[in-house]
Amino acid sequence: QSVLTQPPSASGTPGQRVTISCSGSNSNIGSYAISWYQHLPGTAPKLLIYSNNQRPSGVPDRFSGSKSGTSASLAISGLQSEDEADYYCAAWDDSLNGLFGGGTKLTVL
Amino acid sequence: QVQLVESGGGVVQPGTSLRLSCAASGFTFSSYGMHWVRQAPGQGLEWVAVISYDGSNQYYADSVKGRFTISRDTSKNTLFLQMNSLRVEDTAVYYCARFAVTTWDYWGQGTLVTVSS
Repeated sequence: QSVLTQPPSASGTPGQRVTISCSGSNSNIGSYAISWYQHLPGTAPKLLIYSNNQRPSGVPDRFSGSKSGTSASLAISGLQSEDEADYYCAAWDDSLNGLFGGGTKLTVL
Repeated sequence: QVQLVESGGGVVQPGTSLRLSCAASGFTFSSYGMHWVRQAPGQGLEWVAVISYDGSNQYYADSVKGRFTISRDTSKNTLFLQMNSLRVEDTAVYYCARFAVTTWDYWGQGTLVTVSS
């Protein structure tokens, strides 16, 4: 069981807005920046959001991140079929360990 | 451009050893902390280990502490993961990843390790 808690699944129809939550504690999300990744099986995870709400160049502005206290969320607006993937939150921890959420499988209906 | 290429995966028996490599290019390898992250079949991402930019510090997940050793060779721009006393539950795709200030920003494609009798 992951220290960072994500819902196992989420879904939406094309064009909709979906959000994925990530819950932690003061020793991780509460103290460190959070990142979000998109992952398709057999490929390298792709960085979507870093430092809570920053997008790397090349990531569409449909993807946005936010953090409040010990929780964070990823929002995807204008949902597209190619957004169907697994999404992970990640953060550092006071125990000097990296942490990943359990992952959320996003289905585009 | 930044490239990370893992190698060394394979099928091994429980209790044996394996060494993974990650060849880095396109950036100043000696300036970045480097990590190993794995994904077991049907499971999520799991952080495994980190080594500081200069190799002076290493930290491990409890699940691998005492069995795995992370190291780096700056002269060859290569990251390593020595895995000893392998267990069935170590079966996973192993990714190397660069850590930049607050995030794992570049990842390799991964190498599959299967531990089975």
